[in-house]
Amino acid sequence: QQQVKQSPQSLIVQKGGISIINCAYENTAFDYFPWYQQFPGKGPALLIAIRPDVSEKKEGRFTISFNKSAKQFSLHIMDSQPGDSATYFCAATRNSGYSTLTFGKGTMLLVSP
Amino acid sequence: DVKVTQSSRYLVKRTGEKVFLECVQDMDHENMFWYRQDPGLGLRLIYFSYDVKMKEKGDIPEGYSVSREKKERFSLILESASTNQTSMYLCASSLFLAGVPYEQYFGPGTRLTVT
Repeated sequence: QQQVKQSPQSLIVQKGGISIINCAYENTAFDYFPWYQQFPGKGPALLIAIRPDVSEKKEGRFTISFNKSAKQFSLHIMDSQPGDSATYFCAATRNSGYSTLTFGKGTMLLVSP
Repeated sequence: DVKVTQSSRYLVKRTGEKVFLECVQDMDHENMFWYRQDPGLGLRLIYFSYDVKMKEKGDIPEGYSVSREKKERFSLILESASTNQTSMYLCASSLFLAGVPYEQYFGPGTRLTVT
């Protein structure tokens, strides 16, 4: 089964710190890597995504770093805020045909005030 | 804004009951998905559909079926609910264009408890 392995399972960061969540994939056919953010009581929502033709993508305080040779990608949240406290899911898919998203198991982030 | 609505936020059913979970999207999306979310297991795909009356099995289809009679509506059916189907169920929809993975929009979820 195609897998995306995500770590850590939970993370506590102080306000203003950097939150880092890592993911690794096995299927070299994957070529689109989104991150979803889920607040309690809500469904996940797309946060940021990257394709393997770039090694980094930044949107505000959120950055995806991508290492194609290692088959790893990570989410960095700079200047973490209590409002960033949520569950984060990485995912991967093939950019062709009727492909579906394969999700990691999620990381519960708590940013302490 | 895309809106995906699910018929119930909370549902309690008895073992053996037939359960219907309804999902409606208002953006004319071709694709619709059903996931279940369990602590430590993440999001697991149950079934998905690329068009009306089309359905494809996901990773964990056992014990579930689906129905898509209209483009905007995708139903998940538990033919005979069991306690191991107690979970959070999430519906999602997305546009479809061959070769292009579009953003999936999720509903708020239905927390189903089977007693």
